[in-house]
Amino acid sequence: AIQLTQSPSSLSASVGDRVTITCRTSQGISSALAWYQQKPGKPPKLLVYDASSLESGVPSRFSGSGSGTDFTLTISSLQPEDFATYYCQQFNNYFHECTFGQGTKLEIK
Amino acid sequence: EVQLVESGGGLVKPGGSLRLSCAASGFTFSNAWMSWVRQAPGKGLEWVGRIKSKSDGGTTDYAAPEKGRFTISRDDSKNTLSLQIKSLKTEDTAVYYCTTHSRSGYHRYAYFDNWGQGTLVTVSS
Repeated sequence: AIQLTQSPSSLSASVGDRVTITCRTSQGISSALAWYQQKPGKPPKLLVYDASSLESGVPSRFSGSGSGTDFTLTISSLQPEDFATYYCQQFNNYFHECTFGQGTKLEIK
Repeated sequence: EVQLVESGGGLVKPGGSLRLSCAASGFTFSNAWMSWVRQAPGKGLEWVGRIKSKSDGGTTDYAAPEKGRFTISRDDSKNTLSLQIKSLKTEDTAVYYCTTHSRSGYHRYAYFDNWGQGTLVTVSS
């Protein structure tokens, strides 16, 4: 199974900061990667798909990049509502398997 | 508006079984690929399994550890997705989410664009 490793596992930042979260996969997955945001007690929300495409309605301060095995999610200027846990995810339709990264908890400094 | 409403969770003893349901509305359920994703308390997300639309074969796939104990099915006439879990273990304790597979992008069906609020399954004696 393809493993996804996110770094850092947790991060403290301030409103207005630029933040980058990385996701490394154990095998190349082209651009087949998504990012989700999850707030406590809520389901995850899709932010980015195909590594760099923004889901409809997601603020433009969020952006994704990468391909192959290394991917990043960047928040250009943190807003109070962005403090949450972020997960990367891949679904390999060839091997019929899906994996998530372990999550990155973004906290207020 | 897409709505996914899970039900059927609760307290179950180890070794027991449970059937979760997801009532879907606001989209053409019969065309949708659907998955179950779970999240143990305080832990990360874990994919459980998927069912394709009948027009795409209606086949199911499961995360390797779940094969044999988990069965996903769909009733397109009732817009309902189900997850049957047998031989429940304490490590199955989690919130179980029903999700739709996104049709957007180059890698269609690879992502989850709509999520229900989840139903909590607690396995304990």
